[in-house]
Amino acid sequence: DAKTTQPPSMDCAEGRAANLPCNHSTISGNEYVYWYRQIHSQGPQYIIHGLKNNETNEMASLIITEDRKSSTLILPHATLRDTAVYYCIVSLAGNKLTFGGGTRVLVKP
Amino acid sequence: GAVVSQHPSRVICKSGTSVKIECRSLDFQATTMFWYRQFPKQSLMLMATSNEGSKATYEQGVEKDKFLINHASLTLSTLTVTSAHPEDSSFYICSAREAGFYTDTQYFGPGTRLTVL
Repeated sequence: DAKTTQPPSMDCAEGRAANLPCNHSTISGNEYVYWYRQIHSQGPQYIIHGLKNNETNEMASLIITEDRKSSTLILPHATLRDTAVYYCIVSLAGNKLTFGGGTRVLVKP
Repeated sequence: GAVVSQHPSRVICKSGTSVKIECRSLDFQATTMFWYRQFPKQSLMLMATSNEGSKATYEQGVEKDKFLINHASLTLSTLTVTSAHPEDSSFYICSAREAGFYTDTQYFGPGTRLTVL
């Protein structure tokens, strides 16, 4: 599976949009981009995933560049409960997920 | 999203005993489940892939005789830590794959915290 690079940490203001970047320059044509988050002492929570097109659901939006070498997860209105470690993972559908260090997001009042 | 449960959520045992952890997909069938463990301040590490009706596939460095995995039904996989020792103390998390025509996503359980005394 392709490797991803994420900033180790970022702060966000409550009520503002949070934009989380992810680089995956070695992604192959049939690999998906998955985003999960892990709140302290809990199992990871699925957020969203996509292949080529931008995706949106009730939690977030996923913007994938045309060359698919990077993506951005957007939390439209960050709340204090969005404080978590966010993982960007590239994998074939149904394949095992390899977790990197993720981005530790702290939402501040 | 789909729901995955784990039982127990927390277990404390004496060194040398065996501990069984259950992972259930509550509202979907999962032909594939995955087992991870997470040590403090570290990321999740995949231990094994569990396929219903067949033997699990273990990652390099994971002892299959120590971490017994059974996936006897489409909604249940179990991980048994045999002869547990303090170094096995960790946060064990399972995930279940929901695969359909429009979706192919893994959902995680809440995790089981194992403490071996």
